[in-house]
Amino acid sequence: EDQVTQSPEALRLQEGESSSLNCSYTVSGLRGLFWYRQDPGKGPEFLFTLYSAGEEKEKERLKATLTKKESFLHITAPKPEDSATYLCAVGDPNRDDKIIFGKGTRLHILP
Amino acid sequence: DTEVTQTPKHLVMGMTNKKSLKCEQHMGHRAMYWYKQKAKKPPELMFVYSYEKLSINESVPSRFSPECPNSSLLNLHLHALQPEDSALYLCASSLGTGDNTEAFFGQGTRLTVV
Repeated sequence: EDQVTQSPEALRLQEGESSSLNCSYTVSGLRGLFWYRQDPGKGPEFLFTLYSAGEEKEKERLKATLTKKESFLHITAPKPEDSATYLCAVGDPNRDDKIIFGKGTRLHILP
Repeated sequence: DTEVTQTPKHLVMGMTNKKSLKCEQHMGHRAMYWYKQKAKKPPELMFVYSYEKLSINESVPSRFSPECPNSSLLNLHLHALQPEDSALYLCASSLGTGDNTEAFFGQGTRLTVV
């Protein structure tokens, strides 16, 4: 059973068209929810950590929010350079030092 | 500075070769990780070192052998690999263990086994 589910799998937007990516999780006792950006052939780039429901963090055109069952990554007025795969991960409640990744959302921003 | 450095960036090796991947961080992080990533898949955890000791081995075949010489360095020794082992190998580090702090990744080594 997947513990981290991301949707949609892929998303194509026009430049400037705002949208949201979803990450739902089923782990109990959340030990951190992490967002990463990954460009093709590169390592994931850390974006945000969220720990508590209601928490929000922003960075440039990105804003991450957290509820008790899901997180959203809001992208405001995206640019082509925001095209990437966005990965969500949660801390494994049963094993220290392990995080569980979702399958990612491939985002493509058209100029 | 949140840099994790991996070398080499690309590696092509035969199935009878022995090679090593290297990873270095100078952030004072006490946990270091090896991940394997196939195309269009999320990273898959292989090994975790915590305070220079192996804490997690995700049932990885013995042809992959990790080593942590000190708190800043992590190696992955490769021997008798198969073509299906071709992938992007990622190293990561995090500040501590037990509290699931965020991990910082290197740029990866693209490994091709021929």
